[in-house]
Amino acid sequence: SQTIHQWPATLVQPVGSPLSLECTVEGTSNPNLYWYRQAAGRGLQLLFYSVGIGQISSEVPQNLSASRPQDRQFILSSKKLLLSDSGFYLCAWSRTGGDTEAFFGQGTRLTVV
Amino acid sequence: GESVGLHLPTLSVQEGDNSIINCAYSNSASDYFIWYKQESGKGPQFIIDIRSNMDKRQGQRVTVLLNKTVKHLSLQIAATQPGDSAVYFCAENRGGGNKLTFGTGTQLKVEL
Repeated sequence: SQTIHQWPATLVQPVGSPLSLECTVEGTSNPNLYWYRQAAGRGLQLLFYSVGIGQISSEVPQNLSASRPQDRQFILSSKKLLLSDSGFYLCAWSRTGGDTEAFFGQGTRLTVV
Repeated sequence: GESVGLHLPTLSVQEGDNSIINCAYSNSASDYFIWYKQESGKGPQFIIDIRSNMDKRQGQRVTVLLNKTVKHLSLQIAATQPGDSAVYFCAENRGGGNKLTFGTGTQLKVEL
């Protein structure tokens, strides 16, 4: 069976510090990978998605970047965090081919102070 | 599409009653829709999906209805239980790349 791991679960970082959130998927190959952000009490906003190693599409301009160094590894980064980067970050994967559900990790609660 | 800046609407139902959660989508090209359930502090979980060539699909205690004419999607939960309390999101695939766009979400509260 497929599993998705996302860590850390919670993170408190000072403004201006770097960020690295990691997500890995097991039990499947060549998945589509996604990073979403969810502000408190709101919907999910797609930040990045990837259809393959080194292939990253950014959905919204922002202070964050994503990388996919391996087939089943997706990393969300920032060089200098802003207060507005606080939120709940969710990694997800889906099978290739379109029209399939996405499976989500348990999320990372990021608080920038 | 997204409704950034709005707080979640809330639906309160009595235990045992049926719940109906609604969602409007904006893109007539969307061809695949999903309902997700998100419990506090957790990632969304898949409930049920429907493709645009269908009007209705049933699962265990859940039914999704799709009205393409008015671009409306609903989730019906039969005999609502306390464990159904969560935020429910609809998501649409606007075609190509399997990128899901999520609605604002609805908070479902089940009262005993």
